[in-house]
Amino acid sequence: GAVVSQHPSRVICKSGTSVKIECRSLDFQATTMFWYRQFPKQSLMLMATSNEGSKATYEQGVEKDKFLINHASLTLSTLTVTSAHPEDSSFYICSANPGQGYYGYTFGSGTRLTVV
Amino acid sequence: KQEVTQIPAALSVPEGENLVLNCSFTDSAIYNLQWFRQDPGKGLTSLLLIQSSQREQTSGRLNASLDKSSGRSTLYIAASQPGDSATYLCAVLNQGGKLIFGQGTELSVKP
Repeated sequence: GAVVSQHPSRVICKSGTSVKIECRSLDFQATTMFWYRQFPKQSLMLMATSNEGSKATYEQGVEKDKFLINHASLTLSTLTVTSAHPEDSSFYICSANPGQGYYGYTFGSGTRLTVV
Repeated sequence: KQEVTQIPAALSVPEGENLVLNCSFTDSAIYNLQWFRQDPGKGLTSLLLIQSSQREQTSGRLNASLDKSSGRSTLYIAASQPGDSATYLCAVLNQGGKLIFGQGTELSVKP
């Protein structure tokens, strides 16, 4: 079936540094991928839509200069958290839709970011 | 603005019970509704997808229904097992092409 691979699963970084998270579609091409953020005991909030070969579309209230998204190929999207601060600590999940109508959305395994 | 609500927020049942999780949404103009399972610290696993033209979908001990006109969906789990313990999320794909999630129901099945 359609698989989305996300890496790393956990990362700890110091305040002020940048962290890159990768999201890959392993057996299908994804012109669009989605990045979500999840706080403890809360639901997923859409941060941005990643578009292959063009700029990402950010949701209201999401700082595009802090959360840089690159979708350089049909199977890879990256999210870079720049100048990370402790309040950026969260669970980040990517998603893609394999298409063909009936699969729905497939999610990566998530990345737990802790900024110290 | 689409809002998705899940009731209850948490549920604890003894093993073997049948149970129902509820999901409601405010805007009936959706493409589909999807139920997911999330284990602690993990990503989402898709359980069932119901297209807007469908009424229900079944997979093993799971059955999901959709009443688009009333903005409701239910996830029925038969003969619950401890391994079913997880958070269950419903999400609707709205006509803007965005997946809107509910807050989830945290299920605990006690042996």
